[in-house]
Amino acid sequence: EDQVTQSPEALRLQEGESSSLNCSYTVSGLRGLFWYRQDPGKGPEFLFTLYSAGEEKEKERLKATLTKKESFLHITAPKPEDSATYLCAVQGPQGAQKLVFGQGTRLTINP
Amino acid sequence: DAGVIQSPRHEVTEMGQEVTLRCKPISGHDYLFWYRQTMMRGLELLIYFNNNVPIDDSGMPEDRFSAKMPNASFSTLKIQPSEPRDSAVYFCASSRAQGVRQPQHFGDGTRLSIL
Repeated sequence: EDQVTQSPEALRLQEGESSSLNCSYTVSGLRGLFWYRQDPGKGPEFLFTLYSAGEEKEKERLKATLTKKESFLHITAPKPEDSATYLCAVQGPQGAQKLVFGQGTRLTINP
Repeated sequence: DAGVIQSPRHEVTEMGQEVTLRCKPISGHDYLFWYRQTMMRGLELLIYFNNNVPIDDSGMPEDRFSAKMPNASFSTLKIQPSEPRDSAVYFCASSRAQGVRQPQHFGDGTRLSIL
C-alpha cells in the first residue's frame, strides 16, 4: 500500500529564516510526486510535479527536490504570505491519476 | 478559465437527512475526483470518474455514499442517510487526460456538519 509521511507536522519560522519540509514515501513504481499548498478555507493549490530522482523544480521562494525515498520542499527567505499547509502526494501504478496524500506540514511565518 | 466550482460551500443538517454536494469541473478535463478531508485522516480519495464513468470507488466509506456524473460538466456526491461522523470538508478536483501525471485542480470544498 502506498504511504506518504510528512514532517514536521508544524513549523514556525521568522520571516527570512530558510528551512525545508520533508515528504517520505513508499510506493511501488512512482509515477509522480506532487506538492500542493492549502490556505485555510480553500482547496489545495498545485505547486510542482516531480517525476524522477534528482529532479528539481523552482517557483519564487520554493524549490522541490526528489530522491528515491523522499522529497524536500525548500523555502528560502520566506515571507508571511508563505504561511499555509503544504501537502505532498504520490501517484503509483495502481490507477491512472490516483493520488495518495500525506497529512501535510502547517507552516507559519512570523513577521 | 474558471476553476472547479463546488456548491454549497457550507451545509449544516441533522442526522438522517439526505445531503447532496455538487461539482462543476474545469471545462475540457476528463477526470473528476471526490475527496474527503478530516483532521484525523487527512485528504482521502472517495471515488473518481474518467469521461463520466466511475473508475474506482474503493474509497467510498459505505453504501450510504453514492456519486454520479451525468455529463462532463456536473457531478454529485450524495449521502443518505447522513450521520455525525460524515462531518468533514468534501473536495472535488479535476484533471486532463493527457498523460498520467497531470495535476489535479481542486475546488474550495463543501464544509459539511451533521448534527
